[in-house]
Amino acid sequence: SQKIEQNSEALNIQEGKTATLTCNYTNYSPAYLQWYRQDPGRGPVFLLLIRENEKEKRKERLKVTFDTTLKQSLFHITASQPADSATYLCALGDNDMRFGAGTRLTVKP
Amino acid sequence: GAVVSQHPSWVICKSGTSVKIECRSLDFQATTMFWYRQFPKQSLMLMATSNEGSKATYEQGVEKDKFLINHASLTLSTLTVTSAHPEDSSFYICSAGVVQTSSYNEQFFGPGTRLTVL
Repeated sequence: SQKIEQNSEALNIQEGKTATLTCNYTNYSPAYLQWYRQDPGRGPVFLLLIRENEKEKRKERLKVTFDTTLKQSLFHITASQPADSATYLCALGDNDMRFGAGTRLTVKP
Repeated sequence: GAVVSQHPSWVICKSGTSVKIECRSLDFQATTMFWYRQFPKQSLMLMATSNEGSKATYEQGVEKDKFLINHASLTLSTLTVTSAHPEDSSFYICSAGVVQTSSYNEQFFGPGTRLTVL
C-alpha cells in the first residue's frame, strides 16, 4: 500500500539555524510533490511544488529537493525564525493528493 | 486571489442531528472541489472529490450516504454530515481545484470547520 512518512513528528531548532524536514514515500510514483504549512486550527497553505523531473526548487528562504530514485523529498528553511513555527506537510500528486502526517517545527528565539 | 471560505468555522451539535458545511471559492471558479477530514495530530485524509453538476467520487471507506456532497455550482460545494455521532467529530477542510496550463490541478484550501458532536 502507498505510504508517506515524514521523518519526525516534531523538530525543535534554534532561531537562525536551518531546519531540514524529510518526506519519504513508498509504492508511489507521483508526478508532483508539494509542501504545505499548517497552523493550528487552520487549513494548509501552499508553499512549494516540485515536479518529478525537477531536482530542486527554491523560494526565498525555502528549498525543496526531490529524489525519485530514493523516493524522498527534503524541505529546508534557512535562517529560521520563530514565525516559521508550524506544522509542515508534504503531499504527493494533484487530483488525488495524499498527505503525510506532518512535522511540527518549533523555532526557539 | 484564490480565496476559499468555509462556513461555519466551528459547530457543536447533538448526536443524531445533521450538519451542513459550505465551501466557497470567492474569486475564481473551481473545476473540482475536494473534502478532507483531519483528526488531531493526524494527516489530512481525502474523503471525496466532486465536480460541478455530477456525483461525488468517494474514497474507500467513506460512506456516501452519511457524508452527502452537493456541488451545485463552480463556486459552491456543501458537505452534510447526516445523523452525526461523536466519532464524526473532526476538522473538515475543503479545497477548490483549478487546472493550470501545465495540466496540474492546483488546490486552494479553505480554513477548515471544526465539528464537535456531543
